[in-house]
Amino acid sequence: DGGITQSPKYLFRKEGQNVTLSCEQNLNHDAMYWYRQDPGQGLRLIYYSQIVNDFQKGDIAEGYSVSREKKESFPLTVTSAQKNPTAFYLCASGQGFQETQYFGPGTRLLVL
Amino acid sequence: KNEVEQSPQNLTAQEGEFITINCSYSVGISALHWLQQHPGGGIVSLFMLSSGKKKHGRLIATINIQEKHSSLHITASHPRDSAVYICAVGRPYGGSQGNLIFGKGTKLSVKP
Repeated sequence: DGGITQSPKYLFRKEGQNVTLSCEQNLNHDAMYWYRQDPGQGLRLIYYSQIVNDFQKGDIAEGYSVSREKKESFPLTVTSAQKNPTAFYLCASGQGFQETQYFGPGTRLLVL
Repeated sequence: KNEVEQSPQNLTAQEGEFITINCSYSVGISALHWLQQHPGGGIVSLFMLSSGKKKHGRLIATINIQEKHSSLHITASHPRDSAVYICAVGRPYGGSQGNLIFGKGTKLSVKP
């Protein structure tokens, strides 16, 4: 079945630790996105990639990093520089500009 | 002021009622999206529209470009429709291309 997967479902981070969230898609989509969702707020764009080996900062990129070495994969690293990382993280993919985005099930990140 | 405003924030209905959720936006857009987020967090795209009206089953989405307003209607509502409904607009050319601005969502609860 085609789809987009994220792992893990829950992730715990200790102070000063970097953690990486996985996002994989087998929809053959060129574009991939990372969003952050906080209670009472709309989704906010962290990073996006429109093609392999290229990515752009979104609205709240500080404290995060990404890579796009393969079309299928777009991992997000939450670095120790991100002071308030507790949130629900959603990955999405799409054919490209102005196309429908397909979302993964999300990863909930908690700080210990 | 948020660029995408939804109303109401919360909505409780009895099974069988006709439901309307509204979305207003203040920017030029390429398209408007309606999304559904279930309690587990996963998001499903319901509609993408740039003019007129679209229908899928009991769901109807309309958009008025001149008034910068869209509505999502649910006919014969059912408890399984209980979810958060999110409006998102595609950014115009010149912005972060292909990326969405999200409303905060409308939480719908349908009672049996």
